[in-house]
Amino acid sequence: DAKTTQPNSMESNEEEPVHLPCNHSTISGTDYIHWYRQLPSQGPEYVIHGLTSNVNNRMASLAIAEDRKSSTLILHRATLRDAAVYYCIPKVSGNTPLVFGKGTRLSVIA
Amino acid sequence: EAGVTQFPSHSVIEKGQTVTLRCDPISGHDNLYWYRRVMGKEIKFLLHFVKESKQDESGMPNNRFLAERTGGTYSTLKVQPAELEDSGVYFCASSLRQGWNYGYTFGSGTRLTVV
Repeated sequence: DAKTTQPNSMESNEEEPVHLPCNHSTISGTDYIHWYRQLPSQGPEYVIHGLTSNVNNRMASLAIAEDRKSSTLILHRATLRDAAVYYCIPKVSGNTPLVFGKGTRLSVIA
Repeated sequence: EAGVTQFPSHSVIEKGQTVTLRCDPISGHDNLYWYRRVMGKEIKFLLHFVKESKQDESGMPNNRFLAERTGGTYSTLKVQPAELEDSGVYFCASSLRQGWNYGYTFGSGTRLTVV
């Protein structure tokens, strides 16, 4: 399985942009990069995923390095509701279930 | 659309008792997954159903855990007999298809406490 490295924790001020990095240097060419987050007392929530190009949706943007060895989840304006643990997960094959690591705990300060 | 529903949301049972957790996936989602997080640990995969068939049960900890998905709709996860180390939060997720390009929708989880 592709290994990921994420900071244990990060902090952001409210309404500031947040860049959450993930290193996945062992990723293979066909692995999509998925991001999920887990808000307190809730189940994980899908955020975004991509393969090679940068991706945008209503929640976030995903910037994928050209060599695909790293990616960055971008929250354009952090809100208090964005305080969560963020997981970067390479999806190894179509049939392999998601494998969660430790993730990054994001704190948002008002 | 309705999300993934799990119940109960909390369960406290004594060691040696039996508990059954239920998961209702999003209607039409063939793929159903069970995960759990025990205190201080990462979220771990337990098993995966495609319709009513077990596709992958490599994460099931031992034979005290039995998962079923009769008719390919809702699923149950029974723990019998429960042990202290089974305490944790059990999450269910569903997805429309397998594949790199499909995300999972998770339920809010069942918090199981074995005393």
